[in-house]
Amino acid sequence: SQQGEEDPQALSIQEGENATMNCSYKTSINNLQWYRQNSGRGLVHLILIRSNEREKHSGRLRVTLDTSKKSSSLLITASRAADTASYFCANSGGSNYKLTFGKGTLLTVNP
Amino acid sequence: KAGVTQTPRYLIKTRGQQVTLSCSPISGHRSVSWYQQTPGQGLQFLFEYFSETQRNKGNFPGRFSGRQFSNSRSEMNVSTLELGDSALYLCASSDGTGNEKLFFGSGTQLSVL
Repeated sequence: SQQGEEDPQALSIQEGENATMNCSYKTSINNLQWYRQNSGRGLVHLILIRSNEREKHSGRLRVTLDTSKKSSSLLITASRAADTASYFCANSGGSNYKLTFGKGTLLTVNP
Repeated sequence: KAGVTQTPRYLIKTRGQQVTLSCSPISGHRSVSWYQQTPGQGLQFLFEYFSETQRNKGNFPGRFSGRQFSNSRSEMNVSTLELGDSALYLCASSDGTGNEKLFFGSGTQLSVL
């Protein structure tokens, strides 16, 4: 399977804490993306990092990419209860016009 | 701009029946992708269409098919439904220029009884 893996599968933290999720993938990539999904709904794109970038920021989000280790991490700072959701990484997996998603990390932020 | 619209939102079918799901992309987007999401397998790519042509296809049996119309709207069809086809079916649109970000609809929750 081309599917990547997120780690951890589930994460529970308190409001105000930082949350870090990791993602590994198996093939070469053009870019790596992170998406968020609230329970049973569609996915929302959060951030895209290209293969020649090492770090990217967007608001409270920070993404890193290590192509030598085929891994990425998503950091959410100062988390809020509204950040409770599943987070997925996705990559092109060497195939055009297709994204391969990981299994996701379920983040619970307790008020 | 209106977002990606999927209809219906919920669907209940019995084994052996067929089902058609509809997706209207964001205005101006010419690429539509379909994904199946289940608790066990996660998000699995079904197929991608651009200007009425299928450009990529996932590893699903021939019972799963799709098409795209000249206005970029897309439909997917599942024939001879099986219990294992119960899933959230997600449609996503993009401008189709490459592996750029996708805009997802809210999905169709299909239950096969």
